[in-house]
Amino acid sequence: AQRVTQPEKLLSVFKGAPVELKCNYSYSGSPELFWYVQYSRQRLQLLLRHISRESIKGFTADLNKGETSFHLKKPFAQEEDSAMYYCALSGESGSRLTFGEGTQLTVNP
Amino acid sequence: DTEVTQTPKHLVMGMTNKKSLKCEQHMGHRAMYWYKQKAKKPPELMFVYSYEKLSINESVPSRFSPECPNSSLLNLHLHALQPEDSALYLCASSQVLAGGNRELFFGEGSRLTVL
Repeated sequence: AQRVTQPEKLLSVFKGAPVELKCNYSYSGSPELFWYVQYSRQRLQLLLRHISRESIKGFTADLNKGETSFHLKKPFAQEEDSAMYYCALSGESGSRLTFGEGTQLTVNP
Repeated sequence: DTEVTQTPKHLVMGMTNKKSLKCEQHMGHRAMYWYKQKAKKPPELMFVYSYEKLSINESVPSRFSPECPNSSLLNLHLHALQPEDSALYLCASSQVLAGGNRELFFGEGSRLTVL
């Protein structure tokens, strides 16, 4: 079975502050981890994936297999980062994408 | 065209009605998905089609019947639904890649209300 846990339903920070959205997973094989984001009144879309090792909109996420974590970080939050963030996991086949419960990030001015 | 289009955006139906949700993409993706999303909850996988064949059914009740008539279209036929089936139904598509590294492209969803 595959499971994704996002311990914080709500996270509020001030503009310019660092932000970290936590994600832990459970999977017996080699997982593929993703962060998806849903801005207000927009469709769900991919933010980044661990295999790409890239920074998107200033966000980064590192897969830590020892801690089974894939936390999303940004050093300086912006108001436009306010959105719902979902951590997601797929197994080797790639067909079954499982989402965490999501974290609603609010960046205050 | 890099979008997944879902129709209708909103649907209200009675428990004895038969209706269908439609999804279309023209990105050449050969995997298509139905997800169900209740308010303030994450999307939950219902069905996966790969090369127009049903590859995953997550033990969804038979009152939901998926259909993939061709590589661009995905339907979800609804019959004898219950009020608890009211939700946002999301369609997604992706390339079929070896391994797990697939980016899913989501539609805006069809919001279903069952009276």
